[in-house]
Amino acid sequence: LAKTTQPISMDSYEGQEVNITCSHNNIATNDYITWYQQFPSQGPRFIIQGYKTKVTNEVASLFIPADRKSSTLSLPRVSLSDTAVYYCLVVPRGEYGNKLVFGAGTILRVKS
Amino acid sequence: DVKVTQSSRYLVKRTGEKVFLECVQDMDHENMFWYRQDPGLGLRLIYFSYDVKMKEKGDIPEGYSVSREKKERFSLILESASTNQTSMYLCASSSSGQAADTQYFGPGTRLTVL
Repeated sequence: LAKTTQPISMDSYEGQEVNITCSHNNIATNDYITWYQQFPSQGPRFIIQGYKTKVTNEVASLFIPADRKSSTLSLPRVSLSDTAVYYCLVVPRGEYGNKLVFGAGTILRVKS
Repeated sequence: DVKVTQSSRYLVKRTGEKVFLECVQDMDHENMFWYRQDPGLGLRLIYFSYDVKMKEKGDIPEGYSVSREKKERFSLILESASTNQTSMYLCASSSSGQAADTQYFGPGTRLTVL
């Protein structure tokens, strides 16, 4: 499984765009990049998943360069309620079993 | 809306007690998982189940067992609780066994063993 590296914490202000970068140098050909969000006292929640280029949904955008050795989660115009831990995972597509590995994540603190 | 529920949000038990943590999902998912979450260690997989009465060990199964008698219910059992099992326990489910499929998590049970 590809190891991921992301910043321990980030601070932002309401209304700003936040970009959290994740490094995954050893990503394999069939690996997908997945992000989860965890609010205090709750379980993680799936945000977005992508393989290459750009993926966008109602919550976030995910940018993946051509070499796929890193990815950036972009949260547009954050609010206080976006304060959470964000986890970057690399998961193999087409494989079965217990392959989800959550690291320490990035603590995002949004201030007013 | 998908829902995974856990029987307790907070639980306090004594060393040596047998502890049951219950998890129920209403999405007709085949796969269910138990994780524990500790500061600085992220989430670690204890056990998972891909079908009724089927189970597989995760990364840290020692001291735990599981039971899945019905598709919607997955129980984690601590046969003899110890203080090092004080942790947040998270249950999750997914529709298939593919690692890339979305896992839906419950709210967690914070267990304290005294």
